[in-house]
Amino acid sequence: DVKVTQSSRYLVKRTGEKVFLECVQDMDHENMFWYRQDPGLGLRLIYFSYDVKMKEKGDIPEGYSVSREKKERFSLILESASTNQTSMYLCASSSPSASSYNEQFFGPGTRLTVL
Amino acid sequence: GNSVTQMEGPVTLSEEAFLTINCTYTATGYPSLFWYVQYPGEGLQLLLKATKADDKGSNKGFEATYRKETTSFHLEKGSVQVSDSAVYFCALYNSGGGADGLTFGKGTHLIIQP
Repeated sequence: DVKVTQSSRYLVKRTGEKVFLECVQDMDHENMFWYRQDPGLGLRLIYFSYDVKMKEKGDIPEGYSVSREKKERFSLILESASTNQTSMYLCASSSPSASSYNEQFFGPGTRLTVL
Repeated sequence: GNSVTQMEGPVTLSEEAFLTINCTYTATGYPSLFWYVQYPGEGLQLLLKATKADDKGSNKGFEATYRKETTSFHLEKGSVQVSDSAVYFCALYNSGGGADGLTFGKGTHLIIQP
């Protein structure tokens, strides 16, 4: 059974803290993604990666960075958390070699609150 | 660029009612289209998909047909259940040879009352 796991379901941090959100997939997928989900805005792509050590900016990369040192793990980093980064963060993975339509598999999400 | 527009809701229906959630898209070329569902407290799950014009995706009693002439992918179910209460997202993927993420609509919150 395919699986994407995220390190925390709920996280509370203070303004200015450095925050790490971890995502691990066990499907040997090449592609991994970070989205944030906000009411009334749907899902927006922050960053994605199509290979180890590769990263590409999505639609809203400002204030975030990512790291992909191993194929199965993709980390989202908030260098200095701010209150407007309070959101639900969703990780996803896909394999273009496994399907022609790039189906994405999602983790359960991390609800981050920045105080 | 790519965009997806769907009715935002909340949509409230009684059990066994007929459901339609509208979705239209803007994209160049021939995107793949998806409906994802998010149950309370969970991540997104793929509900159904269609990869070319006139394809019909179906799963768990839900259906959607890829209509290129109207750029639409409306979700339908003949008889909804309380367990269908969730947020539904329409999405598209436009193949450009890379690993771009999906483009999502804003989501439709569906509430089914017994």
